[in-house]
Amino acid sequence: GAVVSQHPSRVICKSGTSVKIECRSLDFQATTMFWYRQFPKQSLMLMATSNEGSKATYEQGVEKDKFLINHASLTLSTLTVTSAHPEDSSFYICSARTIGGAVEQYFGPGTRLTVT
Amino acid sequence: GEDVEQSLFLSVREGDSSVINCTYTDSSSTYLYWYKQEPGAGLQLLTYIFSNMDMKQDQRLTVLLNKKDKHLSLRIADTQTGDSAIYFCAVNTNAGKSTFGDGTTLTVKP
Repeated sequence: GAVVSQHPSRVICKSGTSVKIECRSLDFQATTMFWYRQFPKQSLMLMATSNEGSKATYEQGVEKDKFLINHASLTLSTLTVTSAHPEDSSFYICSARTIGGAVEQYFGPGTRLTVT
Repeated sequence: GEDVEQSLFLSVREGDSSVINCTYTDSSSTYLYWYKQEPGAGLQLLTYIFSNMDMKQDQRLTVLLNKKDKHLSLRIADTQTGDSAIYFCAVNTNAGKSTFGDGTTLTVKP
């Protein structure tokens, strides 16, 4: 089946630094990837939709200059949290949709970000 | 926008059936999904149903859709302790962009 990986699985960084999270589709090509944020015991909040070769589409209230998304290839999207603050600590999950696929999204295992 | 609601908690005994309910607001929803999330992990797609279907069965899982009431349910037959997790209902109006409910925490007692 379709597998999506994320790296790193956990990261701790100091306030003010930047952190890059990678999302890879391992055995399929994904024109579209999605980035979600999940707070403890809460639902997933869609942050942005990442399309290969074009700019990401951000949801209302998400700062595009703070959460930089790059979808450089059909198998890789990256999310960079710039100038991280403790309130950015969260579980970040990506998902990918296959080319021509309209139904199924495959989710990565998530990245736990802790900003100290 | 779309609003998706679920009850937060469900507790059942091992071997019983579990029914997790979900309601949504957008009648133009096309795909409806159930995901499972175990602690510290990402989401696992369990099953989905198209809006032109009333029911879908997949082994121990049965999904029922009532479009008139905008109500979706997931029934897990013969619930096992390994089924303990958070279950999310998600609804699409535009393919690939999902709105998630808050999740139902299922606890299975031996």
